[in-house]
Amino acid sequence: GAGVSQSPRYKVAKRGQDVALRCDPISGHVSLFWYQQALGQGPEFLTYFQNEAQLDKSGLPSDRFFAERPEGSVSTLKIQRTQQEDSAVYLCASSGLGQGLNTGELFFGEGSRLTVL
Amino acid sequence: QKEVEQNSGPLSVPEGAIASLNCTYSDRGSQSFFWYRQYSGKSPELIMSIYSNGDKEDGRFTAQLNKASQYVSLLIRDSQPSDSATYLCAVNLRGYNKLIFGAGTRLAVHP
Repeated sequence: GAGVSQSPRYKVAKRGQDVALRCDPISGHVSLFWYQQALGQGPEFLTYFQNEAQLDKSGLPSDRFFAERPEGSVSTLKIQRTQQEDSAVYLCASSGLGQGLNTGELFFGEGSRLTVL
Repeated sequence: QKEVEQNSGPLSVPEGAIASLNCTYSDRGSQSFFWYRQYSGKSPELIMSIYSNGDKEDGRFTAQLNKASQYVSLLIRDSQPSDSATYLCAVNLRGYNKLIFGAGTRLAVHP
């Protein structure tokens, strides 16, 4: 696709429910990042993939958070037993081969806004 | 101390003025520095990158980097109401393949 696509755009979950957020990066981009953005804050790093390999998951806040990218393209962020503090916008970003982090050009999706009641 | 710090604002400037946005970072070995703009309800978009000490100009935007002081700034000349947004400073920390963002500075340009 032309840009990074995320779904759903909005998700309301009851506390304790599991949710799955999907990211479809720009075609051919090998690097994929997930960030969490709380209201009024900057994006906080969650995890990073290079192709299908999850190279950094140091930002995942608890073992309730799990991300995968099994075929090196689409990625899913799963949150189990959601809590109110999980309410945030979850941003996915991708970066192309040859650009990497040296250019810093992360292309962001529009985000998935999660509200946990 | 947070890795990347910015004043949250809001920074209010009149149309046509220069807006000055500042950012400090903690890792002296950081190599790459970026400014992203984020409109309300939208995703961040890259507007400037800078890698070496000094100034880098692109249209109405100038990024300034001082590695000795661990300080990055963004100047917006001839500010327009359409520049009203949150400006995020981002740093590629040494040895990490990810960007660390500051909390952002909200800029309001009033006619």
